[in-house]
Amino acid sequence: EVQLVESGGGLVQPGGSLRLSCAASGSIFGTHTMNWVRQAPGKGLEWVSSISSGGTHIYYTDSVEGRFAISRDNARNSLILQMNSLRAEDSGIYYCVSCEPTNGPGVFHFWGQGTKVTVSS
Amino acid sequence: ETVLTQSPATLSLSPGDRATLSCRASQSVSNYLAWYQQKPGQAPRLLIFDASNRAPGIPARFIGGGSGTDFTLTISSLEPEDFAVYYCQQRSSWPPFTFGPGTKVDMK
Repeated sequence: EVQLVESGGGLVQPGGSLRLSCAASGSIFGTHTMNWVRQAPGKGLEWVSSISSGGTHIYYTDSVEGRFAISRDNARNSLILQMNSLRAEDSGIYYCVSCEPTNGPGVFHFWGQGTKVTVSS
Repeated sequence: ETVLTQSPATLSLSPGDRATLSCRASQSVSNYLAWYQQKPGQAPRLLIFDASNRAPGIPARFIGGGSGTDFTLTISSLEPEDFAVYYCQQRSSWPPFTFGPGTKVDMK
């Protein structure tokens, strides 16, 4: 089982930046597709971004394309989401999520506890 | 983008009742549909993937079915810990991966 711990959330003004981190336990991190999924206050779940196990394939939802950047360091078992030009609608809890390699991308198997992002002046 | 709709929005039931939740896709997703459970203040938990496969550790009372555009999650006999919000999610046509709006199962 993979344990995921997010950090880096906080309060930021519109137009500002935040860098979210996710620390993963276990030596199998490098075999997992990793993702960020967010949840606006009182709302449902929204997929934000995915990165393949080797980091070569990266995808974003349209609303964050060009503003957010996902990356990973398999040697350090870490996942990063660099968020720039933040908007109020980016506020919410951001979950780090991993996919079991045997099930393929898009089966969100393991979830962190989330880190809260608030974009407000 | 594949849009998922869930019904009903809220289901009011008692422990021991059978719960049937529906998820409909705007286009066929084959069997690439998952269900998640989320309790207040907690992260979602994977219950079912690829329409009918229970994730490890998920009790047998959670049963997923369907294919194409129509899917169901059945909880055969509700336990007190099952009162939560349930989301469906597709991975057939991506990006983006999309979620339904959720069904809240609350206690009558």
